[in-house]
Amino acid sequence: GIQVEQSPPDLILQEGANSTLRCNFSDSVNNLQWFHQNPWGQLINLFYIPSGTKQNGRLSATTVATERYSLLYISSSQTTDSGVYFCAVGAYNQGGKLIFGQGTELSVKP
Amino acid sequence: KAGVTQTPRYLIKTRGQQVTLSCSPISGHRSVSWYQQTPGQGLQFLFEYFSETQRNKGNFPGRFSGRQFSNSRSEMNVSTLELGDSALYLCASSSTGLYNEQFFGPGTRLTVL
Repeated sequence: GIQVEQSPPDLILQEGANSTLRCNFSDSVNNLQWFHQNPWGQLINLFYIPSGTKQNGRLSATTVATERYSLLYISSSQTTDSGVYFCAVGAYNQGGKLIFGQGTELSVKP
Repeated sequence: KAGVTQTPRYLIKTRGQQVTLSCSPISGHRSVSWYQQTPGQGLQFLFEYFSETQRNKGNFPGRFSGRQFSNSRSEMNVSTLELGDSALYLCASSSTGLYNEQFFGPGTRLTVL
């Protein structure tokens, strides 16, 4: 099956700093999403981005499908950005499910 | 539009019991998927239902089952609970499935004692 690797596993930033989270996947995909898991466990949608570039406020994402990676950029980080960020991919020839990476745990210090 | 809702939010059971979890998708969405999240295994796919039919299934034992009703609401049942079933169970809703964005509910946190 498709393998999904996220890096780094942990990241500590000072408030106001920028960061880049990476997601590598091992095969072609039909779906790629980035999520932020809040302290109560809910997965909050950040981007649905099987290819291309999108921006939403301080966050942006780029997926280069031909090279099998995606990047999530967080600019001017805030303490509320803390939490775990997941990349998830899916392909219909892999059983119609999302396959999640292990996540990047981000901690933003004031 | 209301988001995905899951009930109950928290549940405590003992080994050997069974449990039923419920998920109501976003209005108009016909696909509901279920995932289990544990610290050791991460997020793993259980199954997907679309138009009342199980369309995809993950690698979980037969103790885990589900169904979907005509209004797209879905239930997941776990029989003969084991300690290892303690987890956060998340459901995801989408209009037609994997080609569309998946939206997750708040989850049900199950503790098995």
